[in-house]
Amino acid sequence: EVQLLESGGGLVQPGGSLRLSCAASGFIYSNYAMSWVRQAPGKGLEWVSGVSGSGVSTYYADSVKGRFTISRDNSKNTLFLQMNSLRAEDTAVYYCARSSHSLASPFDYWGQGTLVTVSS
Amino acid sequence: SYVLTQPPSVSVAPGQTAKIFCGGNNIGSQNVHWYQQKPGQAPVLVVYDDNDRPSGIPERFSGSNSGNTATLTISRVEAGDEADYYCQVWASSSDHRVFGGGTKLTVL
Repeated sequence: EVQLLESGGGLVQPGGSLRLSCAASGFIYSNYAMSWVRQAPGKGLEWVSGVSGSGVSTYYADSVKGRFTISRDNSKNTLFLQMNSLRAEDTAVYYCARSSHSLASPFDYWGQGTLVTVSS
Repeated sequence: SYVLTQPPSVSVAPGQTAKIFCGGNNIGSQNVHWYQQKPGQAPVLVVYDDNDRPSGIPERFSGSNSGNTATLTISRVEAGDEADYYCQVWASSSDHRVFGGGTKLTVL
């Protein structure tokens, strides 16, 4: 059974940093691309960042480029999102999601999300 | 940047057919995916590549895509279909994944 479990969310002050993790199980992790998708309270889904199965290729939404860094450890089946210079508008539930290698492929499995709150 | 436009809400009576539209420039040339999200839950993929269903998704869910509009059709709507629905594509010009703003389906 495919499982994705996010952790690392919490309350952080504006300008602060936070590192999210997503532990994967139930599939050959390195065969799949992974992404982070967020959802601000009461709002829609927003793709944040993606990484290829090997970890070589990374992609970022314009809203987080230069502040967030996506990475993965295929030896530990874990996805990361390092978030720096956090702003109030980064407040959201952050989901990790799996997709096949093609950039056009859908997100077929999602985690349950971890809440990040940026506030003083 | 590529924009996907969805109506904020759609209402339908039980047993009827619901159509949720997703507009985008020449979206017919893209592979469109649809997600269902119920309150407090993670999204679930219900249709991918315009009109394919993942295993476990009822045949009542179908999709189409042509020109500037993609459509998610839910036949014989049930109370349990009440949820937010999102369309999504890959914008090749930017290598970004893009979501529509979401449509809240209300079952009357």
